[in-house]
Order: sequence, then C-alpha cells, then structure tokens
Amino acid sequence: GAGVSQSPSNKVTEKGKDVELRCDPISGHTALYWYRQSLGQGLEFLIYFQGNSAPDKSGLPSDRFSAERTGGSVSTLTIQRTQQEDSAVYLCASSLSHGNTIYFGEGSWLTVV
Amino acid sequence: GEDVEQSLFLSVREGDSSVINCTYTDSSSTYLYWYKQEPGAGLQLLTYIFSNMDMKQDQRLTVLLNKKDKHLSLRIADTQTGDSAIYFCAETPGGYQKVTFGIGTKLQVIP
Repeated sequence: GAGVSQSPSNKVTEKGKDVELRCDPISGHTALYWYRQSLGQGLEFLIYFQGNSAPDKSGLPSDRFSAERTGGSVSTLTIQRTQQEDSAVYLCASSLSHGNTIYFGEGSWLTVV
Repeated sequence: GEDVEQSLFLSVREGDSSVINCTYTDSSSTYLYWYKQEPGAGLQLLTYIFSNMDMKQDQRLTVLLNKKDKHLSLRIADTQTGDSAIYFCAETPGGYQKVTFGIGTKLQVIP
C-alpha cells in the first residue's frame, strides 16, 4: 500500500480480554515504531524495530504488552488482560531506515469497557 | 537523556503568525521534525530540518534551529483555521535509537 496501514481502526473490548493490533508498514521500510496516545496526552513510545536487530522494548508499560514483527514487515501489538487504562490510540509508524522521515498510520482506537 | 519539551497550548487570531517552540536535549540529534495531527487523525509530517541547517522555509512554514540552545521553532505565517491542530516536535538522536516526540502543542486559531 501507499501508506502505513493499521487494523482494526476501532476496537471496543471488555476488560480482561486480549487484543491484537496490526500494522502494515510501507513496503521496504526497515524501521517500525509503536506509540500510544491517550486522551489529551502526547505520544508515548512503546517499541521500536529496526531491521534484524533486537527490538527496543524499553517503552512497553507492562508485561501485558508485547509486539512482534514477522519477516521484517507486518507487526502485531498484543495487549493481554486489557485494563481500562489501556484505552488509547495506538499509532504505528515506519521509516526507510533509522534517521529517515517516519510515516504514521491513522491509528487503532482502543476502548476498554 | 532524551527529552523534548513543548508548550501545551497556543491561541492565535486568523491571519496572524503562529510560533511554536520546542527544546531538545540530545546534541547529537541529526534530524528534527514537525508533525501535525488534526482531530481524529494520525500524524502527518509537516517539515523537517537537518541539524547542519539553521533555517528552512516551505511556503507558509519557517523552521528555525538554534543548535547552541537546542531550540527548534515552527512559524506559520498567515495562520488559517485549517491550521488548528496539535503540532509535535521530534528528534532523531544519533545511532540506532528511537525518535523522541514532544507532548504536542495544541494550536487554536480564532476566526
């Protein structure tokens, strides 16, 4: 696709359930980021993948959060046992390589009820 | 450590100039960016500047970089209501490290 694609665009889930959010980066982009934006807040870094290097997971808020990137392309962010404070927009972004412009998807809006 | 700071809110009248400021801490930053987020949308790249530049102009947008003070600013000339959005400053530190974003400045344009 032409841009970063995220799915689902909207997700409402019950507290305690697991959710998976998917990101399709721009083809050929080796760097992939996940960010979280809570209502009225700035961007919170979650995780960063760069090529075949070990991901930078330093922003994951708890062990309920994990992410994978398969084949250096598609990434999945998994939140286990969701809590209400997990409600936020989860933004994925990719760039050609480190230091290049990063492009964002439209985000996955997660609401935990 | 990495830290990018911005003021939270700016209000200007339509037709005036807007100046959004940002400070960063990593002197090894190579790229500095401005992103715009309209309500309910993702972030879109507005403009960026290399750290070896002092100024970049693109139509109504002017980016100024003061490396000595680690200060970045975005000036929007003839601000329009369509410019109302949140503006994020971001830096790319040296090495294979994550991009760091500021908290975002919400620009309100009053007709």
